[in-house]
Amino acid sequence: EDQVTQSPEALRLQEGESSSLNCSYTVSGLRGLFWYRQDPGKGPEFLFTLYSAGEEKEKERLKATLTKKESFLHITAPKPEDSATYLCVLIKAAGNKLTFGGGTRVLVKP
Amino acid sequence: NAGVTQTPKFQVLKTGQSMTLQCAQDMNHEYMSWYRQDPGMGLRLIHYSVGAGITDQGEVPNGYNVSRSTTEDFPLRLLSAAPSQTSVYFCASSYSIGGSGEQYFGPGTRLTVT
Repeated sequence: EDQVTQSPEALRLQEGESSSLNCSYTVSGLRGLFWYRQDPGKGPEFLFTLYSAGEEKEKERLKATLTKKESFLHITAPKPEDSATYLCVLIKAAGNKLTFGGGTRVLVKP
Repeated sequence: NAGVTQTPKFQVLKTGQSMTLQCAQDMNHEYMSWYRQDPGMGLRLIHYSVGAGITDQGEVPNGYNVSRSTTEDFPLRLLSAAPSQTSVYFCASSYSIGGSGEQYFGPGTRLTVT
């Protein structure tokens, strides 16, 4: 059975304190892995797509990486506006369905 | 562009009532989908559509119906509401699920069934 597990469930950081979020997965035939950000009371917002092991994507203070079994979202020198829930999402090579992880809630304190 | 719009934002139903959640997008996206989000469960796919006239079931389709008569609209119908359907519902669209995978989500509908 396909599984996406995100850890930790929650993360409290001081402003400027860098950290990493983990997304581990088991899926037969991965087409792509996506990271989304979700603010309270809003829909998820697309951040990155990763297709193959070794691939990296960056956007401001965020950097996403992919291996054959997991993906990391690194937050460098976070600011309070980086507080959100970060979702890891997979799509298999066959089919049109996305599989969502449970998310990591990040709180950055000033 | 308005993006993906959903109405209503909040709704309270009594058990057994029916209603339709509306979703519209103005980006000419072929792929549209409905998800529900429950605490501790992540987002789960209810139904999806790869184009006008084509729909398919997702992970949790029971109790919900969909149709896609136009590219722009993808309504979700609750046939006979149950307390287990209390959730936040998100509609999403994308140009191609197999392309960038970038989905645009609406703001959500918070539904309570009493």
